[in-house]
Amino acid sequence: AQKVTQAQTEISVVEKEDVTLDCVYETRDTTYYLFWYKQPPSGELVFLIRRNSFDEQNEISGRYSWNFQKSTSSFNFTITASQVVDSAVYFCALSEAPGTGNQFYFGTGTSLTVIP
Amino acid sequence: EPEVTQTPSHQVTQMGQEVILRCVPISNHLYFYWYRQILGQKVEFLVSFYNNEISEKSEIFDDQFSVERPDGSNFTLKIRSTKLEDSAMYFCASSDEREQYFGPGTRLTVT
Repeated sequence: AQKVTQAQTEISVVEKEDVTLDCVYETRDTTYYLFWYKQPPSGELVFLIRRNSFDEQNEISGRYSWNFQKSTSSFNFTITASQVVDSAVYFCALSEAPGTGNQFYFGTGTSLTVIP
Repeated sequence: EPEVTQTPSHQVTQMGQEVILRCVPISNHLYFYWYRQILGQKVEFLVSFYNNEISEKSEIFDDQFSVERPDGSNFTLKIRSTKLEDSAMYFCASSDEREQYFGPGTRLTVT
């Protein structure tokens, strides 16, 4: 069965610090997709990244970077030089095939507070 | 850019009342979904819908819930007799063959 674990419930950092959000997943599928979403206080889910199981290259997008390691079943998310606007709940999610009726499995989320 | 829309953004209803949450998926998508997020908790899958029928549903999706695609554009979630514990954010999503897109959510408050 698929499962996503985000062990960090809440994290607080001071502005400009780097912060890493952990995500560990379980699946028996050889093909799967991993996602990160940001949920600001307004409640919508903001898509951040999609990664398939065959692509283990790390990705950087501005201050955001992602470290995908199949050997440890982890897909961690780092924010460099954090800003107050980064304060939100961040969800990691897993799907076998997001486009063909397969559900997303979400982790419980990590609430990030960036203190000015 | 096409997007999934949901109405209303916030609905308040009394316990025992029926409520219908509406979604307009992206126009050429074939798969539709509803998810629920109780305040402070994770997003949970409710149901997926394809070719005018339910393709998968979770144990949360009991007889109180139903889904319908009443016309070519809308996709609805009906809760027959709401309970206090149905208070949550409800997200609709639709997908093409590759990607699933989430709507902005409807916050349902049952009093």
